[in-house]
Amino acid sequence: AQSVSQHNHHVILSEAASLELGCNYSYGGTVNLFWYVQYPGQHLQLLLKYFSGDPLVKGIKGFEAEFIKSKFSFNLRKPSVQWSDTAEYFCAVSPGGSYIPTFGRGTSLIVHP
Amino acid sequence: DAGVIQSPRHEVTEMGQEVTLRCKPISGHNSLFWYRQTMMRGLELLIYFNNNVPIDDSGMPEDRFSAKMPNASFSTLKIQPSEPRDSAVYFCASSLSHGELFFGEGSRLTVL
Repeated sequence: AQSVSQHNHHVILSEAASLELGCNYSYGGTVNLFWYVQYPGQHLQLLLKYFSGDPLVKGIKGFEAEFIKSKFSFNLRKPSVQWSDTAEYFCAVSPGGSYIPTFGRGTSLIVHP
Repeated sequence: DAGVIQSPRHEVTEMGQEVTLRCKPISGHNSLFWYRQTMMRGLELLIYFNNNVPIDDSGMPEDRFSAKMPNASFSTLKIQPSEPRDSAVYFCASSLSHGELFFGEGSRLTVL
């Protein structure tokens, strides 16, 4: 069975700091990759997704992620975080052709103003 | 546009009682998912429907849990009897076949 690992469980940053959240998965075939965000008290919503093509994906609110196939990774980045980015971030992976995503445990990000 | 609609938003019940959570997916979506979120276990897939048919229910914890999707616009997740360890936020999500999930606001269940 596939698994998704998010190594950073809690991240605390100051505003304007750069962000990188790690995501690794265990599946050898074609994959679809997602990052979701859950703001406090809200539901999950899509930040960005990768199905094919350019491995550098740009999402909403200045976030981007890079798919590195050789490393089975899909790390999320943002060059300068804001207080409003405080949220829980989830990486999700589904095998190509299957639309059942497996979610990582999530990373809690706190941004201090 | 209406998103995924879940009810109730909050439910507090006593151990042993039956709990029914409801979900209305986005119109036109053909896949529906029920997830459970807890601090200890994160986001767990309970069951997945495609075209109203249960495809994967391997995540349903035990026989106390059941889910139905009688038509394309409605699904229920039932827990009978409920136990304190069922306390969690239950999310319903829907999607088209390309795999991007749209989540509801969640139902926060507390079993005393």
